[in-house]
Amino acid sequence: DGGITQSPKYLFRKEGQNVTLSCEQNLNHDAMYWYRQDPGQGLRLIYYSQIVNDFQKGDIAEGYSVSREKKESFPLTVTSAQKNPTAFYLCASSMQYQETQYFGPGTRLLVL
Amino acid sequence: SQQGEEDPQALSIQEGENATMNCSYKTSINNLQWYRQNSGRGLVHLILIRSNEREKHSGRLRVTLDTSKKSSSLLITASRAADTASYFCATDEGYGTDSWGKLQFGAGTQVVVTP
Repeated sequence: DGGITQSPKYLFRKEGQNVTLSCEQNLNHDAMYWYRQDPGQGLRLIYYSQIVNDFQKGDIAEGYSVSREKKESFPLTVTSAQKNPTAFYLCASSMQYQETQYFGPGTRLLVL
Repeated sequence: SQQGEEDPQALSIQEGENATMNCSYKTSINNLQWYRQNSGRGLVHLILIRSNEREKHSGRLRVTLDTSKKSSSLLITASRAADTASYFCATDEGYGTDSWGKLQFGAGTQVVVTP
């Protein structure tokens, strides 16, 4: 089965805690993306990576960090510096130079 | 920043009716895409239309693009209850620009189709 998986489905964060959201794809896609979605709003780009070992900040990167050590994996860490982390987080991937993005099922992050 | 803005924000129709939603954007684009999101799920790509195309069809979907007005429309014909979802437009400024690899999404149109 080819696709993008995200885990966990729900994640709870305590004050001052860093948490990491997993994103894995077996589509052999070069590019991967992280988006944040707040209720009733569209998606906002947090970080993206067009190739292994390289990534770029999106529109709302503050309080987040990523790594891209393997082509298949693009984990997102929500740091304690992100003061309003409650949101739905979506990971996506695409072939390089192709525009269509394929999305994972999402992780809902809640603050305790 | 959001590039696309969908209109209306919400749409309620009965099965069998057509649903039309619009998207306006601000800057020049390479292509415009429409995605569907069922409640609490990821997005599913529906259709991509390039800046040099005016109309595109896929099954019951019809997309138009008017680059002079910086707007696009998505028409769903003969709607079904399963079409209930949020629909988003996303714009891509294209390879070679500062925004390459970045899609700009609108806030979406929430469509409810009642049996």
